Amino acid sequence: GAGVSQSPSNKVTEKGKDVELRCDPISGHTALYWYRQSLGQGLEFLIYFQGNSAPDKSGLPSDRFSAERTGGSVSTLTIQRTQQEDSAVYLCASSSRHRDRQDTQYFGPGTRLTVL
Amino acid sequence: RKEVEQDPGPFNVPEGATVAFNCTYSNSASQSFFWYRQDCRKEPKLLMSVYSSGNEDGRFTAQLNRASQYISLLIRDSKLSDSATYLCVVNEGSSGSARQLTFGSGTQLTVLP
Repeated sequence: GAGVSQSPSNKVTEKGKDVELRCDPISGHTALYWYRQSLGQGLEFLIYFQGNSAPDKSGLPSDRFSAERTGGSVSTLTIQRTQQEDSAVYLCASSSRHRDRQDTQYFGPGTRLTVL
Repeated sequence: RKEVEQDPGPFNVPEGATVAFNCTYSNSASQSFFWYRQDCRKEPKLLMSVYSSGNEDGRFTAQLNRASQYISLLIRDSKLSDSATYLCVVNEGSSGSARQLTFGSGTQLTVLP
């Protein structure tokens, strides 16, 4: 079946502009995660949505970062007033309590963000 | 101290070699453990879960030592296609909850012809 999809695959923006990154999780998956990965670095957790619960925003690096998940499905990560240090690959993952192991995460291909 | 620590490598091994990766985690309450594989400029993909009794999947063997808070991955008869970064992943959530996973920084493996 269809996996996690993300758009755009690449985004180049100028410093100070706002960007929106989109994630479509696997249908039926209740949990959705955003991570970012800088070149040669590990994954940095950003935010986690689980069903209708309040999101876990503990990983967001600053108040310029926000995310929402509409209708329990699609999620949008917004970065306001982008800075060069925001350049990274932003990965979305989803998982289900009803398949395989409840916490196995399936990743999308990522959005490569470059801030000039 | 990092929550999940791995030797970053790189590990450069000849084809057919056996290679082992180790990982330690700091939270003794951690419940679930995984190895993910990430190819260059690609997303991470689940390689295998790690069970308490140890588990094997073809050429790959994963082991967990809760007392030492240590996880290992053994790759036998390594292939060129095994070249990737291997991520140790720990779920610190209690059983029954789906919490965010904590990823190690990864160990880079290159299998040489």
